This record gives sequence, structure tokens and C-alpha cells, in this order.
Amino acid sequence: SQKIEQNSEALNIQEGKTATLTCNYTNYSPAYLQWYRQDPGRGPVFLLLIRENEKEKRKERLKVTFDTTLKQSLFHITASQPADSATYLCALRSNDYKLSFGAGTTVTVRA
Amino acid sequence: NAGVTQTPKFQVLKTGQSMTLQCAQDMNHEYMSWYRQDPGMGLRLIHYSVGAGITDQGEVPNGYNVSRSTTEDFPLRLLSAAPSQTSVYFCASSYSGQIQETQYFGPGTRLLVL
Repeated sequence: SQKIEQNSEALNIQEGKTATLTCNYTNYSPAYLQWYRQDPGRGPVFLLLIRENEKEKRKERLKVTFDTTLKQSLFHITASQPADSATYLCALRSNDYKLSFGAGTTVTVRA
Repeated sequence: NAGVTQTPKFQVLKTGQSMTLQCAQDMNHEYMSWYRQDPGMGLRLIHYSVGAGITDQGEVPNGYNVSRSTTEDFPLRLLSAAPSQTSVYFCASSYSGQIQETQYFGPGTRLLVL
């Protein structure tokens, strides 16, 4: 069966450090992988999309890698700030319009 | 643009009651979908629609009905609520549903079934 797994534990880091989140998947052949941010009591908000032929994608302090051989994506938040505290979700889409999400990793950045 | 709007924000139902969760978008998106989010399980797709008059089942469709009579609206109906349907429900939309598109989510409806 298809499965998406993210860091099972919450991540607590000191301000200014880099947070690294992991998204592993099985039985998918995704052409694209997406990352979303979700704040408490709110809907997810799109952050980044990476294509299978892209090894790395950056947006401001965010960096995403995509290794289709390892079936893994890494999501990095560099120079983290307390405002980065949220839950981060990875998502994969099969070819029939169905987007599947991981359970998310909660990041807390301490000042 | 208001984006994706959902009503109500919070609802308490008794087992066996019915209700409709409303979802609307003003971005002229063809693709709309409903998810439920439960602790530790992430978002799970309930139903989706690729355009007015077209709907299909997602991962967890049992107990839910949908219809899409207009591009803007995509209501989710619970015919006979059960405690297992206690969850947070999110509606989302995108331009056409193609795999490279991002999803725009509503603020969610928190449903408690007693």
C-alpha cells in the first residue's frame, strides 16, 4: 500500500539553527512533491513544489531536496525564527487528481 | 478575493443527525476537494470534483455525500452523523487539479459528534 511517513517526533530547535524534516514514501512514483505549512486552527498553506528532475529547490530560508532513488524528501529551515513554529506537511499526488499527505512534523523554535 | 471559505467554523451534532458543511471559492477553480484531519493521521481525501457536475470518491468516502452544481460551491453532506466523524474538515481548490498545481485550503470546520 502507499505510505507517506514524516518525522514521527516533534522538532524543538534553538532560534538561528537549521531544522531538517524528513518525508519518506513507499509505493509512489511521484513526478512532484509539495510541502505545506499549517498553523494551529488554520488550513495548510503551500510553501514549495519540487519536480522529480530537480534535486534541490530554494525559497528564501527554505530548502527542499528530492531523492527519487531513496524515495525521500528533506525540508530545511535555515536561520530558524520563532515565527517558523508550525506543522509542516509533505504531499504527493498520484496521476488521478488525488493528493496524499503525510501526518506532518511539528516544529517549535525557541527564542 | 476571499479565497476558499467554509461554514460553519464549529458544529456539535448528535449521533444520527444530518448536516451540510459548506465550501465556496471565488478563484474560478475547476478542482475542489474535501479532506478530514485527525490527530496523527494527516489529511485524508474524502471526495473531490474536477468540475461542475463531476464528483469522485477519495480515500475515505463512506458516510459522506457531495455534489457540484456550480463551479464555486462544493458542499459536503453527512447523512447520519457518527462519533467516528468527529474531525476537522478542510475544503481545498486548485485551478484544474493537475499534479503540479498547489492546493488552496479553507480555514476548516471543526465537527464534534456526540
